[in-house]
Amino acid sequence: AQSVTQLGSHVSVSEGALVLLRCNYSSSVPPYLFWYVQYPNQGLQLLLKYTSAATLVKGINGFEAEFKKSETSFHLTKPSAHMSDAAEYFCAVREIQGAQKLVFGQGTRLTINP
Amino acid sequence: GAGVSQTPSNKVTEKGKYVELRCDPISGHTALYWYRQSLGQGPEFLIYFQGTGAADDSGLPNDRFFAVRPEGSVSTLKIQRTERGDSAVYLCASSPTGPSYGYTFGSGTRLTVV
Repeated sequence: AQSVTQLGSHVSVSEGALVLLRCNYSSSVPPYLFWYVQYPNQGLQLLLKYTSAATLVKGINGFEAEFKKSETSFHLTKPSAHMSDAAEYFCAVREIQGAQKLVFGQGTRLTINP
Repeated sequence: GAGVSQTPSNKVTEKGKYVELRCDPISGHTALYWYRQSLGQGPEFLIYFQGTGAADDSGLPNDRFFAVRPEGSVSTLKIQRTERGDSAVYLCASSPTGPSYGYTFGSGTRLTVV
């Protein structure tokens, strides 16, 4: 079964600093990987996705993620944090068989300090 | 519609009562998913519809939970004899068929059982 692990349930950075949110996946086949963001009391919004094209994927709001097969990782980064980036971030892998459901990590809460 | 619509946005019910949660997916999306998100957790899969049929209901926690999608569009998640442990945010998502697509999520229904 496919799964994802997000390292660090809570990350805190200063405004303007680099954001790095870690995600490792477990999959026996080339995965489809996603990052979602959830603002308070809202649903999940797709940030970016990896679908076996370019290994460096650019998303919305200045975020990007790099697929590294050798490390089974798909870490999310942003060069300079903004206060509006404070939210919960979820990494997910999508099954390619059956229900093709998304399997989510536990999430990482990002706090931005002024 | 332009997005996935879920109603109601909030529902407070007494223990033992019956509730229905509605999801109106994006027009043309054949795949529809229900997830449940407890506080501080990632979303957990409940059930998947492809068209009108429930293709995978392996995530439903017990037989008090049931969902339908009679015309292949709107779906209703039904919970009988609600328990306090059912309190969570229930998320609906729709997607075109195919694992390279991300889901589009609704804003969720926050269910509180008192």
